[in-house]
Amino acid sequence: EAGVAQSPRYKIIEKRQSVAFWCNPISGHATLYWYQQILGQGPKLLIQFQNNGVVDDSQLPKDRFSAERLKGVDSTLKIQPAKLEDSAVYLCASSGILAAEQFFGPGTRLTVL
Amino acid sequence: ELKVEQNPLFLSMQEGKNYTIYCNYSTTSDRLYWYRQDPGKSLESLFVLLSNGAVKQEGRLMASLDTKARLSTLHITAAVHDLSATYFCAVDPYLALGGTSYGKLTFGQGTILTVHP
Repeated sequence: EAGVAQSPRYKIIEKRQSVAFWCNPISGHATLYWYQQILGQGPKLLIQFQNNGVVDDSQLPKDRFSAERLKGVDSTLKIQPAKLEDSAVYLCASSGILAAEQFFGPGTRLTVL
Repeated sequence: ELKVEQNPLFLSMQEGKNYTIYCNYSTTSDRLYWYRQDPGKSLESLFVLLSNGAVKQEGRLMASLDTKARLSTLHITAAVHDLSATYFCAVDPYLALGGTSYGKLTFGQGTILTVHP
C-alpha cells in the first residue's frame, strides 16, 4: 500500500513570496490533515478535511494560509504572503474510519528568508 | 485548551538500561498515540491506545494508558542504539468535543532519546 505522498520535499523562498504544497493521501482515506512542525516542537494541526469538506480550521492563520481538497482526494496548502515565522516542516497525514490512526507523509521543509 | 506534557524532554541512556517516558494531558480522552521521529524524517506510528488500561508492546517498547490519571507511559527495556530518536505522544480530545469529532490531535513537545554504547 502506497503511503502519503507530498511535494515538494524542500522549498526556499523569500518573505512575502507565495508557496504551495501538495499532498496525496493513502488511497481510500477520507480524512486528511495538514500540520505545521516548527523545529524542536511537536506538530500542530492546521486544518482537517473530511472528504472535500473542512472539519476544523481553527488553527489555520486564514489571513495568509489557505487549503483545499478538491474531489476529496489530493490537497494543496498555500501560504501567501510568507513570513519568516512560517519556516517549518509542513506535514500531511491521512486516516481512515473514525480517525483511529493517522499516517504521515514525508513532509515539506519550508525555509523563508 | 488541551495541554499535553511529556517528560523528560531529553533522555540520555546507556545501552541495556530501562527507562520510562511520561505523557500527561489535561482533558478527558481515551485515545492516545505514540510516534517516533528520526532526524529529518516524518512521523512513524508506534502505538495506538484506545481505552483505559490499554497496553501495547512492540519489541523493547511498551506503551500504556491510564485515562483516570490522564497519563500514558512509554517504557523502554534494555535500550539499544537504534532506539535513538524523538518520541511524541499525541492526544485526541474527541470526548471533550462531544464524542463525534475525531482526529484533532494535540502533540506533546517530544522527548529526544539518545542511547549510548
